[in-house]
This record gives sequence, structure tokens and C-alpha cells, in this order.
Amino acid sequence: QVHLVQSGAEVRKPGASVKISCKTSGYTFTNYAIHWVRQAPGQRLEWMGWINTGNGNTKYSQKFQDRVTITRDTTASTVYMEVNSLKSEDSTVYFCARDYSGRGFFAPWGQGTLVTVSS
Amino acid sequence: EIVMAQSPATLSVSPGEKATLSCRASQSVRSNLAWYQQKPGQAPRLVIYSASTRAAGIPARFSGSGSGTDFTLTINSLQSEDFAIYYCQQYNDWPPITFGPGTKIDLK
Repeated sequence: QVHLVQSGAEVRKPGASVKISCKTSGYTFTNYAIHWVRQAPGQRLEWMGWINTGNGNTKYSQKFQDRVTITRDTTASTVYMEVNSLKSEDSTVYFCARDYSGRGFFAPWGQGTLVTVSS
Repeated sequence: EIVMAQSPATLSVSPGEKATLSCRASQSVRSNLAWYQQKPGQAPRLVIYSASTRAAGIPARFSGSGSGTDFTLTINSLQSEDFAIYYCQQYNDWPPITFGPGTKIDLK
């Protein structure tokens, strides 16, 4: 069975960085891309970026291009997302999700990681 | 960027009734449209992709239709476990992938 398990909640100060992990299991890691999506309370889902787990290529939303880096460790079947220069508006839940068929829709999703940015 | 809109924002339905949710794209996304269900405190769950294909494990009471800019998710004979927020998402032209604001189905 396919599982995506994310790292736990984080608290950071404004201007700091955070790195969230997404450990996958139950399938061949390099066969499916992983996306990152965030969701502020009561807001719509917001796509942040994507990594081709086979070759490491990435694409980012223009909104996050300068502050987000997505990487992968094929030996650990894990994808990481680092967000730099954190602001209070980055306090939200971050999800990783597997690309279902290489076309840009997602199943399954990780359980979510809450990041709180506060001084 | 393709902007997705959904209506209504909230739909009040009684168990056993039919729910019809709408999604509109700011430009054609062909049939590259997915629907997700999200319950409080949970991650979204894929319900429909390619506008009308049910994802694995999704009951037959869920159906999707539409192409181009206008799409519909229909839930026949609503069950208690169907009360949730439903988001549409386009994947025709990305980056960025974009989502609608969601439709909440609550108990009438």
C-alpha cells in the first residue's frame, strides 16, 4: 500500500528556514513525481512545486521560486522541501502528494505538516 | 495562470439527497480537471480525474462531467461520510497547478 509520511510540526522565527520531509513507501520511488501543496486556514489549496524523483528536475510556482527548494534522496525514498526567509504568512499546513500518473493530479497525499512562524 | 471558481460556496443537503457542485476555469482546461474531497483535519483525497473518471475506491454515487471551462461533480444519494469540502483542480496548463476555493457540503 502506498504511504507518504511527513515530518512533524515545526516552529520557526521570521526570517528562518524550515525543511520538511516526505517519506514514501509501497511503490517504486523514482517512478512517480512528488508535489508540495500548502493550505492556510480556510483557504484554497496552493501548489508550490514539484520534483521528478527519477532525475531530480524541479518546477516551482513563480510565487515560491525564490524561497523554496525541493530535493530528493532516492536511497531513502524521501522528498524534502525547504522554505527560506519565513514570514508569518507561511504559517500553514504543508502537504506532499504523489503525482497519480505523471499528469499533475495527486494521490495519495501525506498527512500534512504544520509550520508556525512566530517571533 | 488559470483561475478556478466554484459554486456554491456552501451547499446544505439532507442525507439521501443529490448534491451538484460546479467548477469553472478562466480558460479551457480540456478534460484535465480533478476533484478532491477534504474532511476536517485530513489531507485531500482524489475523487475524480480526467473530469469524469472515478479514482480507485470511490463509490459509484460520485460522478463528474464537463470539459473546456465548465465542470460538475454530482453526488447521488448523499451519505453521512460525504459531508466535506470539495475542491476542483486543473492540470492542463502548469506550472502553476491551480485549485478552486472549494464547496462545503453540510447537513441541512
